[in-house]
Amino acid sequence: QVQLVESGGDVVQPGRSLRLSCAASGFTFSSYAMHWVRQAPGKGLEWVAVILYDGINKYHADPVKGRFTISRDNSKNTLYLQMNSLRVEDTGVYYCAREREWFDPWGQGTLVTVSS
Amino acid sequence: QSALTQPASVSGSPGQSITISCTGTSSDVGGYNYVSWYQQHPGKAPKLMIYDVSNRPSGVSNRFSGSKSGNTASLTISGLQADDEADYYCNSYTSSWTYVFGTGTKVTVL
Repeated sequence: QVQLVESGGDVVQPGRSLRLSCAASGFTFSSYAMHWVRQAPGKGLEWVAVILYDGINKYHADPVKGRFTISRDNSKNTLYLQMNSLRVEDTGVYYCAREREWFDPWGQGTLVTVSS
Repeated sequence: QSALTQPASVSGSPGQSITISCTGTSSDVGGYNYVSWYQQHPGKAPKLMIYDVSNRPSGVSNRFSGSKSGNTASLTISGLQADDEADYYCNSYTSSWTYVFGTGTKVTVL
């Protein structure tokens, strides 16, 4: 079945870096654009970044632009989010999702906590 | 990119119908028919309920329906059930492969 599994979430200090991964299975990963979406504790969903199927074109939301970088390895069916210069406000659950002008499916999420 | 505007909360009794609005601009909701809706129970990942304004994925109850008029999209839940109690988020394509979510609506079944 179509499945996405995130990993890499951790507790880190402000200013540090973290890389999240999203392992895809059950579909042709290289044919789809992929997204990262996050949710701060008790808050709503926030779109973070997208990468097109070929890994060349990518776009990031303004709050993370210049600090986060989305990437993918189609040979490993894996999506990544490199997060640098982390801030307290980056704390939350990070989801990966497959895109077809809508988001489906979603992974179970991985928790990132930025705290001193 | 500003979040789409949704009511913070909507409530209804079992069996009733409720409607959640999602207001954007001509640059997102009004400009594209790429509006989708997601249901999220506490501690769970979001689940797709409606895509392309009014289409239901396989497996989603026909009690859920979507529509759009101008810059406002709507999700209607008919025959409200206890399990419908959750948070609901709208989403719209904006431009250049970017998307924006709504502020979220908590649905309470009285």
